[in-house]
Amino acid sequence: RKEVEQDPGPFNVPEGATVAFNCTYSNSASQSFFWYRQDCRKEPKLLMSVYSSGNEDGRFTAQLNRASQYISLLIRDSKLSDSATYLCVVNKGIQFYFGTGTSLTVIP
Amino acid sequence: SAVISQKPSRDICQRGTSLTIQCQVDSQVTMMFWYRQQPGQSLTLIATANQGSEATYESGFVIDKFPISRPNLTFSTLTVSNMSPEDSSIYLCSADRLSGNTIYFGEGSWLTVV
Repeated sequence: RKEVEQDPGPFNVPEGATVAFNCTYSNSASQSFFWYRQDCRKEPKLLMSVYSSGNEDGRFTAQLNRASQYISLLIRDSKLSDSATYLCVVNKGIQFYFGTGTSLTVIP
Repeated sequence: SAVISQKPSRDICQRGTSLTIQCQVDSQVTMMFWYRQQPGQSLTLIATANQGSEATYESGFVIDKFPISRPNLTFSTLTVSNMSPEDSSIYLCSADRLSGNTIYFGEGSWLTVV
């Protein structure tokens, strides 16, 4: 079983839509959780950390459910510039495990 | 966040040759990692670069093919040896901060083997 599993999409949504990405992880001892964004032909960049209490950064809300080993990312009022691949990342000790990424295209 | 510089940013190489990629971080970091990302795929960890000792390789990657050096806390190299077209990929250096548990990436080295 993979350490991190994501729906690869693609998600094609109109501007202004709300879109949610989900991710599950297999190791209950995982310690830290993140969402990274990767634009085409660019390196991954940290979007936000994910906490059990949930955290919000502008239009982006991330949530962690440790009991279900589930992480989510919600994007409200989608912009064209949100088009990218979103990677779910789980940390345990010194290891970082990457999901395969979910592709988002926001359509005018 | 740490600033991570990689070079070369891209290269086209002949099969059978070797290429060394350099990674420089602008501050001391605890961990440095090398990842590979093949077209349309997610990131695969090649190895953890350990300062002053041999790298720790993931399953499927060996030192003879991917020798790694890390002489100090801010610099590492990855060599892709005896290249074949299957080695065409993006190679990404990453590092964490001494005080944090988040990793940051260099801009990647785009390698095409012909």
